[in-house]
Amino acid sequence: NAGVTQTPKFQVLKTGQSMTLQCAQDMNHEYMSWYRQDPGMGLRLIHYSVGAGITDQGEVPNGYNVSRSTTEDFPLRLLSAAPSQTSVYFCASKGTGRRTGELFFGEGSRLTVL
Amino acid sequence: GNSVTQMEGPVTLSEEAFLTINCTYTATGYPSLFWYVQYPGEGLQLLLKATKADDKGSNKGFEATYRKETTSFHLEKGSVQVSDSAVYFCASRADGGSQGNLIFGKGTKLSVKP
Repeated sequence: NAGVTQTPKFQVLKTGQSMTLQCAQDMNHEYMSWYRQDPGMGLRLIHYSVGAGITDQGEVPNGYNVSRSTTEDFPLRLLSAAPSQTSVYFCASKGTGRRTGELFFGEGSRLTVL
Repeated sequence: GNSVTQMEGPVTLSEEAFLTINCTYTATGYPSLFWYVQYPGEGLQLLLKATKADDKGSNKGFEATYRKETTSFHLEKGSVQVSDSAVYFCASRADGGSQGNLIFGKGTKLSVKP
């Protein structure tokens, strides 16, 4: 059982470049989300989705776009990368109907913007 | 808004020492509370949770009790092992909005020496 799979694990970009971080889950979870982890800041929510076709902003959405065309996939797009987006990004999913349910995290994608 | 505050690290202990990592929260109502653990190079994993006042979550020798009167959810372990070295995150489920959104503390890095 793969769980939550993120690709790539590492990426280096130049300022202004665009890229997409991929996230896929095979648990048929309705809820998916993206967090960024920065030293001394903990995890901050970027965007989330409660089902296919539905997305919403989290705490730090600026500079990121998301879409949810299928239940399985929730890509995170950086349209014009900035050094402030250097971070470790985590995708997480959870089944709905269980308000106290567990979030399952991917292994993370480390992004460096030069 | 809701927030989670946990003690800053790093925390360095000798094997078999007693561990306490403090966590307090602010919220309207009574949110569900969680402890997540992140081992080096990995994503976060749920360690334990509590969903109402006076609940005690426990797992792998770790415990935390939901204290409504002090709005706290401190993590404890009676005898730590080298394998417990990791970063520990306290989290609460946000009021309203999506069922799944969590608010995380900044994390506490624990190092256990043999």
